[in-house]
Amino acid sequence: RKEVEQDPGPFNVPEGATVAFNCTYSNSASQSFFWYRQDCRKEPKLLMSVYSSGNEDGRFTAQLNRASQYISLLIRDSKLSDSATYLCVVNNENDMRFGAGTRLTVKP
Amino acid sequence: EAEVAQSPRYKITEKSQAVAFWCDPISGHATLYWYRQILGQGPELLVQFQDESVVDDSQLPKDRFSAERLKGVDSTLKIQPAELGDSAMYLCATQQLNTGELFFGEGSRLTVL
Repeated sequence: RKEVEQDPGPFNVPEGATVAFNCTYSNSASQSFFWYRQDCRKEPKLLMSVYSSGNEDGRFTAQLNRASQYISLLIRDSKLSDSATYLCVVNNENDMRFGAGTRLTVKP
Repeated sequence: EAEVAQSPRYKITEKSQAVAFWCDPISGHATLYWYRQILGQGPELLVQFQDESVVDDSQLPKDRFSAERLKGVDSTLKIQPAELGDSAMYLCATQQLNTGELFFGEGSRLTVL
């Protein structure tokens, strides 16, 4: 079993749709969690950290469920510019492990 | 433009040749990672440095890969000899201590023919 697992997608949604990505992790001692965005042939960039209480940044909401070892990312009112691969990242004592990523395409 | 500098951006080589990648991290970032990313997959950790010391190289194929960070600043990743399966993007990242955020370089894309 991989340490970090994501639904690979692809997710193809129309503009304005709400889309949710899920991620599970195997190490119960994992300390911190992130969502990164990666555009085609570019380097990953931090989208948002994931806090225990859940957090929101504009149209993006991240949730953490430690009991189920599960992280989610919700994107509301999808824009064309949201098209990218979304990577779930889990930190185990500064050992940062990535999921395989979920590809999102937002269409007009 | 990424603050972590990597070179070369692109490298095409024949199998059995030697290849080297270089990374210059953000000043003051003690933790440095090398990742390999095959198209369509997530980044896979190869090696992690804390200053000049290797923290984790359990995923590094040590028969052909080596990495060093001699003065605890810039780092090199070497492959010798390169194999067809090594074709990938090699990403260097450094970590901000207080937030844990990773900052990536633009990567070095390797094609082995």
